[in-house]
Amino acid sequence: GAVVSQHPSRVICKSGTSVKIECRSLDFQATTMFWYRQFPKKSLMLMATSNEGSKATYEQGVEKDKFLINHASLTLSTLTVTSAHPEDSSFYICSASSSRYNEQFFGPGTRLTVL
Amino acid sequence: DAKTTQPNSMESNEEEPVHLPCNHSTISGTDYIHWYRQLPSQGPEYVIHGLTSNVNNRMASLAIAEDRKSSTLILHRATLRDAAVYYCILRDPYNNNDMRFGAGTRLTVKP
Repeated sequence: GAVVSQHPSRVICKSGTSVKIECRSLDFQATTMFWYRQFPKKSLMLMATSNEGSKATYEQGVEKDKFLINHASLTLSTLTVTSAHPEDSSFYICSASSSRYNEQFFGPGTRLTVL
Repeated sequence: DAKTTQPNSMESNEEEPVHLPCNHSTISGTDYIHWYRQLPSQGPEYVIHGLTSNVNNRMASLAIAEDRKSSTLILHRATLRDAAVYYCILRDPYNNNDMRFGAGTRLTVKP
């Protein structure tokens, strides 16, 4: 199957700073990328869907000005958590899909801890 | 959105078969049934998917009811490495194409 990477795998930051998380599809062109958030012992929650070259579509309750998503190329999407607060601490996971594959391929996740 | 219902948890003994059920009574004609699993602190891993016919791959088998309102993921011989949360998800590639996770089934495999 196709491979999706995320960077960094783990990040600790101070409250009020911004953090950028990268999601890359390594061996295929991802027309659509998805961002999820997962709190401990909970399921994944879809945050937003991004198509290459267009603005992301955010789920209800997800602040687009706080979680900035850029999908500038067919192999890279970034999620920036702006002015992070302790309640933003979570496991952030991206996934990618293309017209070639029926399934989504998930990245390994990024654990964000905001102090 | 079509939803799925799974048991919260299941237990299995190592090297025995495991049948993980999923109900999706509101499935639409274009929904594919996908199964993913997630190990602790990792992203979900694709297991199998199908539309109407039963499917087999290296990891598992997927048995789909004739009316498509339920399906069963079958692990033929559970190993300790199969301990994970298993998610049954409906996905319509012609509409939104997104994937929404339910609570899943936490599978425990006993040695």
